[in-house]
Amino acid sequence: DAKTTQPTSMDCAEGRAANLPCNHSTISGNEYVYWYRQIHSQGPQYIIHGLKNNETNEMASLIITEDRKSSTLILPHATLRDTAVYYCIVRQNTGNQFYFGTGTSLTVIP
Amino acid sequence: GAVVSQHPSWVICKSGTSVKIECRSLDFQATTMFWYRQFPKQSLMLMATSNEGSKATYEQGVEKDKFLINHASLTLSTLTVTSAHPEDSSFYICSARDLRANQPQHFGDGTRLSIL
Repeated sequence: DAKTTQPTSMDCAEGRAANLPCNHSTISGNEYVYWYRQIHSQGPQYIIHGLKNNETNEMASLIITEDRKSSTLILPHATLRDTAVYYCIVRQNTGNQFYFGTGTSLTVIP
Repeated sequence: GAVVSQHPSWVICKSGTSVKIECRSLDFQATTMFWYRQFPKQSLMLMATSNEGSKATYEQGVEKDKFLINHASLTLSTLTVTSAHPEDSSFYICSARDLRANQPQHFGDGTRLSIL
């Protein structure tokens, strides 16, 4: 079962930073936080993952709180193509299954 | 980057037909692949875990005789929807775990199945 809680939907102005929160208060010490997004009628696309340190790649930044009970995905300059459903998932790095929650539907507004 | 390919991308067939969907990892080996189903406006629901060389593990409520899974090689898993009916119409998505160090799970682009 999904172990994360995310807002159902968010809007963001094009060119602004999109900050997507995720609560994972029951996360255990060896579980990573993964972020994926799904654009309509496509498979989920990997964005970023992390354990406890903040992470950054070419797509986004991941900020994990010190107690690891929540995290924020940051898209620094949102574009219209970033409109998608964003899923936050916790799982052991050596584990197998991903269980998806309901995700956040992000709409980037021109 | 790592790619997972699904085929076909969409299929329409008559009720009672069996439909096979293929999932391939193109540039990495995957001893484990996963099959998901997604209904409109809903999230992905894990159906089963496909294990190379052994039987698949099905999630609670998923009929193993209805959804046959074969994982005969390290790069290919197939899902067969047997005697499909309109209620089986859905978006089926596979994923594969790249076992190289610190690699995430990769997803195919899905198969849209419509049963008439």
